[in-house]
Amino acid sequence: DARVTQTPRDKVTEMGQEVTMRCQPILGHNTVFWYRQTMMQGLELLAYFRNRAPLDDSGMPKDRFSAEMPDATLATLKIQPSEPRDSAVYFCASGTHKDRAYEQYFGPGTRLTVT
Amino acid sequence: RKEVEQDPGPFNVPEGATVAFNCTYSNSASQSFFWYRQDCRKEPKLLMSVYSSGNEDGRFTAQLNRASQYISLLIRDSKLSDSATYLCVVKRGGADGLTFGKGTHLIIQP
Repeated sequence: DARVTQTPRDKVTEMGQEVTMRCQPILGHNTVFWYRQTMMQGLELLAYFRNRAPLDDSGMPKDRFSAEMPDATLATLKIQPSEPRDSAVYFCASGTHKDRAYEQYFGPGTRLTVT
Repeated sequence: RKEVEQDPGPFNVPEGATVAFNCTYSNSASQSFFWYRQDCRKEPKLLMSVYSSGNEDGRFTAQLNRASQYISLLIRDSKLSDSATYLCVVKRGGADGLTFGKGTHLIIQP
């Protein structure tokens, strides 16, 4: 049963520290997404890649966030420097076209707490 | 105005009852529609896509009204295991990212 994997599952860090989150998409999926979920805002799209090329990062604060896909099996989301308001669950999802729908499969998320 | 709006609930429903959720979306360029389910402290999972003609998957029925920009989900014969948050999701044409509502919390009571 293919799944999206994410590491770490939980991260507690102090304000100002660098945080790197990693995602391994499902093999064969050509599109990878980063979402953030908070109680206040719900789920929001941060950025996404297709065939490893960044297509849209308009949802991401660019001064401190960066997303990359060094190869087809790894996507990273980096926050430097981290701030308390970055505390959230960060989900990676991968997807592919199937029939009439574009299905996305979510990883288990990284729960980030910035103190 | 949020792009996708849902009643947050919670909906407290007795086991075996029928429950319906609604959702409205504001962007007329929305092209694809979905219901996702999210259990507490878990990732969202696709429940079903929503097609213009309406579609059914077992006890679940989804309807789309493009004119009113309205999506619905009906759950028949509800089970305890249906307790979760149901997320209404839209995708704009020409974009791949999904726009999520904040979800409707459903609690099925024995």
